[in-house]
Amino acid sequence: ETGVTQTPRHLVMGMTNKKSLKCEQHLGHNAMYWYKQSAKKPLELMFVYNFKEQTENNSVPSRFSPECPNSSHLFLHLHTLQPEDSALYLCASSQGNLAGGADTQYFGPGTRLTVL
Amino acid sequence: GENVEQHPSTLSVQEGDSAVIKCTYSDSASNYFPWYKQELGKRPQLIIDIRSNVGEKKDQRIAVTLNKTAKHFSLHITETQPEDSAVYFCAASTSGSARQLTFGSGTQLTVLP
Repeated sequence: ETGVTQTPRHLVMGMTNKKSLKCEQHLGHNAMYWYKQSAKKPLELMFVYNFKEQTENNSVPSRFSPECPNSSHLFLHLHTLQPEDSALYLCASSQGNLAGGADTQYFGPGTRLTVL
Repeated sequence: GENVEQHPSTLSVQEGDSAVIKCTYSDSASNYFPWYKQELGKRPQLIIDIRSNVGEKKDQRIAVTLNKTAKHFSLHITETQPEDSAVYFCAASTSGSARQLTFGSGTQLTVLP
């Protein structure tokens, strides 16, 4: 699969577990994003990385910890999650246009997370 | 911060009819407005976008209109087909090297054959 890939596609974890979500983009982009998609709620932006630097953290609880080792990879480390954290976690990437022009975001297929 | 309202939350139309989805935004500095389509179990995909220096944009059966004064924008789908059935999300953002999109809550469009 080309474009933006995410693993795993499905994850079930207990509240005391530690797990990580992985995102990889094959588009040569410089910006990467984590979104949370819950039922009947808008997509919520969690984190933004641009040129490997975190530029946004939208008041996300510390039990979610992002990591961006290079412009092609993005991780979301999870620990001590709550059942209400169950959702679809989507990764996206974009060119990261420094001129501020149209900067289309391309989404990965998502990881369906269930916290028991 | 930005707030995007989207209506309706569900919309059913007969095949061949038109569908219109409307969004309003709060931040007058927003200047980029994409629309995404998400089919069941699939990722959101960009279908059309518009920038604030343009009032309307068309791509085959899909069009988007923008009213900057009223701070609202709309998606128009003509000659709807069953494969248009999906959830549609509007979004808004301001300029920046990495777009921070604020999404609407989505519209479930069902095209009835």
